Amino acid sequence: QSALTQPASVSGSPGQSITISCTGTSSDVGGYNYVSWYQQHPGKAPKLMIYEVSNRPSGVSNRFSGSKSGNTASLTISGLQAEDEADYYCSSYTSSSTWVFGGGTKLTVL
Amino acid sequence: EVQLVESGGGLVKPGGSLRLSCAASGFTFSSYSMNWVRQAPGKGLEWVSSISSSSSYIYYADSVKGRFTISRDNAKNSLYLQMNSLRAEDTAVYYCAIRDYYGSGSFDYWGQGTLVTVSS
Repeated sequence: QSALTQPASVSGSPGQSITISCTGTSSDVGGYNYVSWYQQHPGKAPKLMIYEVSNRPSGVSNRFSGSKSGNTASLTISGLQAEDEADYYCSSYTSSSTWVFGGGTKLTVL
Repeated sequence: EVQLVESGGGLVKPGGSLRLSCAASGFTFSSYSMNWVRQAPGKGLEWVSSISSSSSYIYYADSVKGRFTISRDNAKNSLYLQMNSLRAEDTAVYYCAIRDYYGSGSFDYWGQGTLVTVSS
């Protein structure tokens, strides 16, 4: 199972919006609404930010939103804040009853 | 409060074995699927294995199939990963994670991880 494709890095200024893409295939992202997104700060465990494509767990800021079109899912962060600087990973359930992660995207807040 | 605490990591020689544990608290452990996810130093996340609430369904990544065994003890609120025939490429922080706590298909809570180093 190949990793999902994410941009290696994205950046934005405070207050701006950014979008991180996550491209898979019809056997994973495109075939199921089980796409999730994780935030990871250096030296820390990942934290769930979005589940089932577009749902936010309790306690996650509504500045974070998710969507999907075909085989590509997206995470959008609006009103960028310094604390958003972190690595972000997408994940999807697959037709093999396994899970696959994206390679990760480093977000820099300028 | 949901808590997951991994233990059992350490330094092991290639070909050796190690057993990781994950102690769970703050939720009804027996109701949720559990997973192991690993992260090699400086690299991304890699799903390793999944076990359903009653241990009826177990899945592995191709990279560990035949070498790793996931198990759980619902009476002890504990998850395990038996790792045999370890290779240098198994070096990583290993996280245990609850799946489907909020919805479906996501890893909703994570432990702090335990480091496994495979080296001679």
